[in-house]
Amino acid sequence: SQKIEQNSEALNIQEGKTATLTCNYTNYSPAYLQWYRQDPGRGPVFLLLIRENEKEKRKERLKVTFDTTLKQSLFHITASQPADSATYLCALDENTGNQFYFGTGTSLTVIP
Amino acid sequence: GAVVSQHPSWVICKSGTSVKIECRSLDFQATTMFWYRQFPKQSLMLMATSNEGSKATYEQGVEKDKFLINHASLTLSTLTVTSAHPEDSSFYICSARRDGGYSGANVLTFGAGSRLTVL
Repeated sequence: SQKIEQNSEALNIQEGKTATLTCNYTNYSPAYLQWYRQDPGRGPVFLLLIRENEKEKRKERLKVTFDTTLKQSLFHITASQPADSATYLCALDENTGNQFYFGTGTSLTVIP
Repeated sequence: GAVVSQHPSWVICKSGTSVKIECRSLDFQATTMFWYRQFPKQSLMLMATSNEGSKATYEQGVEKDKFLINHASLTLSTLTVTSAHPEDSSFYICSARRDGGYSGANVLTFGAGSRLTVL
């Protein structure tokens, strides 16, 4: 069966540390893997996208890696801040254009 | 940047009434929009895919006669919850697909969501 699993429902880290979130998938062949941020009571917001032939992507304090052999993506937030506290969702796009598959989400809390 | 406006942001209605939620892409055209339902502390559950000018495609288990979707233009999709009941109370979120919106790849721009409470 198809599954997209993100590490622990909740992740608490100290301000200034690096937060690492994982996204593992089974029985998908994504052409793209995307990360979104969702704040309580709001819709998700697109953060970063990485292609199947890319190993790593960076944007400011964010870094995403993609290992199609391990079927895993890692999402890093360096020098974390309390404002980074939110739920982060990974999403797979198999490039059919008709479907984006979302993971279960990880709730990140950055403690001051 | 790309913006999707979703209204109303919250609505309270009596059981048996119908509620319409609008989803508009303000600065881009969207041939495809998606409607999701989200329960507390859970991920997004895809309800249906809305394609401009054609009938929506519903996910298994979603009643199409209960959740009417209309995508009459490239910038507007609507979700109507008909004869709403308390179990329909939820957070409904729409998204519009931006074709080639990020370095040639498709990405989703979400609305802010609509909180429906059925009394």
